[in-house]
Amino acid sequence: AQSVTQLGSHVSVSEGALVLLRCNYSSSVPPYLFWYVQYPNQGLQLLLKYTTGATLVKGINGFEAEFKKSETSFHLTKPSAHMSDAAEYFCAVSRYSSASKIIFGSGTRLSIRP
Amino acid sequence: DTAVSQTPKYLVTQMGNDKSIKCEQNLGHDTMYWYKQDSKKFLKIMFSYNNKELIINETVPNRFSPKSPDKAHLNLHINSLELGDSAVYFCASSQDVVSGSSDTQYFGPGTRLTVL
Repeated sequence: AQSVTQLGSHVSVSEGALVLLRCNYSSSVPPYLFWYVQYPNQGLQLLLKYTTGATLVKGINGFEAEFKKSETSFHLTKPSAHMSDAAEYFCAVSRYSSASKIIFGSGTRLSIRP
Repeated sequence: DTAVSQTPKYLVTQMGNDKSIKCEQNLGHDTMYWYKQDSKKFLKIMFSYNNKELIINETVPNRFSPKSPDKAHLNLHINSLELGDSAVYFCASSQDVVSGSSDTQYFGPGTRLTVL
C-alpha cells in the first residue's frame, strides 16, 4: 500500500524567505511523486512531478523538489517566497499500474507574512 | 477555454434530496475522476472512468452513482443526500490510464455541496 505524510498542516514564512514543505512517502515499488497547489476556491494544479530520471525536479513558479529514495522524501522548496505563493499544497504518490490511483497527503497551508 | 468544467459551482439542498453534478473536459483525455474534499481539505478519490468504463470504485456509498455518457463527460448523481455528504467535489481528467498514474491530472474548479 502507498501513503503520503505531509509534516506540518500550516507553514508560515516571511516574504522573500525560503519555503520548505515536507513530504514523506511509503511505497513498496518505485513511486511516482507529485506536488499540487490549490489556490483559494480553485481546483488543484500540478506544480511538478517525479517519475524517473533526474531526482531534482523543477516546476512552475520557481518551485523544485528532490526525490530522495534513502529518506523516502520529496520535499518542496522555493528560494524566495512571494505573497502569491499563499495556498494549500498537496504531496501525492502513485505507481505504474493500470487503474492505479493517486494518493494525496493531507495538505499543508502556506501563509506568507509581509 | 476551460479545460475541465463543472456545474453547478455551488449546490445547497435539503437532506434526502437527489442531486447531480456535471463535469466536462475538452482536453481529449481518456480518463476522468471524481474526488471528494472534506472540510479539513483531505482529498480522496471516489471514482475513475476510462473511455466510459469504470476502473476505480472506492468504498463509496451506493447512493453515489457516476455516469459517463462519453469520454468527455463524467457526471455524479447522489441519491438521498445526507449531512455528511457536504464537501467540495472535484472532477479531474488525465491522458491515459495504463501509464496514467504518472500523468498530470487536470482539475475542475469544484462544486461546493451543502446539505442542510
